[in-house]
Amino acid sequence: GNSVTQMEGPVTLSEEAFLTINCTYTATGYPSLFWYVQYPGEGLQLLLKATKADDKGSNKGFEATYRKETTSFHLEKGSVQVSDSAVYFCALSKTTSARQLTFGSGTQLTVLP
Amino acid sequence: ETGVTQSPTHLIKTRGQQVTLRCSSQSGHNTVSWYQQALGQGPQFIFQYYREEENGRGNFPPRFSGLQFPNYSSELNVNALELDDSALYLCASSFTSGAKETQYFGPGTRLLVL
Repeated sequence: GNSVTQMEGPVTLSEEAFLTINCTYTATGYPSLFWYVQYPGEGLQLLLKATKADDKGSNKGFEATYRKETTSFHLEKGSVQVSDSAVYFCALSKTTSARQLTFGSGTQLTVLP
Repeated sequence: ETGVTQSPTHLIKTRGQQVTLRCSSQSGHNTVSWYQQALGQGPQFIFQYYREEENGRGNFPPRFSGLQFPNYSSELNVNALELDDSALYLCASSFTSGAKETQYFGPGTRLLVL
């Protein structure tokens, strides 16, 4: 079956530090890959997505590249801000749309001023 | 603000009871999905409804059931509650039309089973 493995947290960084959150997946075929963010007290929000190999998703300074050869979709940001503190989830879907998602366990990020 | 609302926000039940959770989708959305998020875990897909019909289900027993109404609001019903059902329940709505689709998640209902 499909599965997503995320780097375990929590992750604590200082403001302006470089962020990497690792994500690898197991799936048959060619899934679409997503990163979601969950701020305290709020619902999940789609951060970025990629639907085929070598695609790069980007949003709000975050980037992730769909690497089929390593079955990975690592999230990166060059300079984090305090407002980026949240829980980040990697997810996959068997369709190009975000349906019937399989999520990783989440990574808590705390950015200190 | 996603336009997806859920009620109640918190709920406490005892083992063996039944519970109904509600979701009001964003206007115009014809697809709703429900997820269960245990503490410290990622959400797990329960099922999806499209135009009032279930069209996808995750690895959850039949005591988890749902309804989608003509106005695209929906319910999640759980019978014979177990302690392990304690979790945050999320609904997500979207408009299904071809490949382009974005899901919007509600803030969730936190269920505690004692």
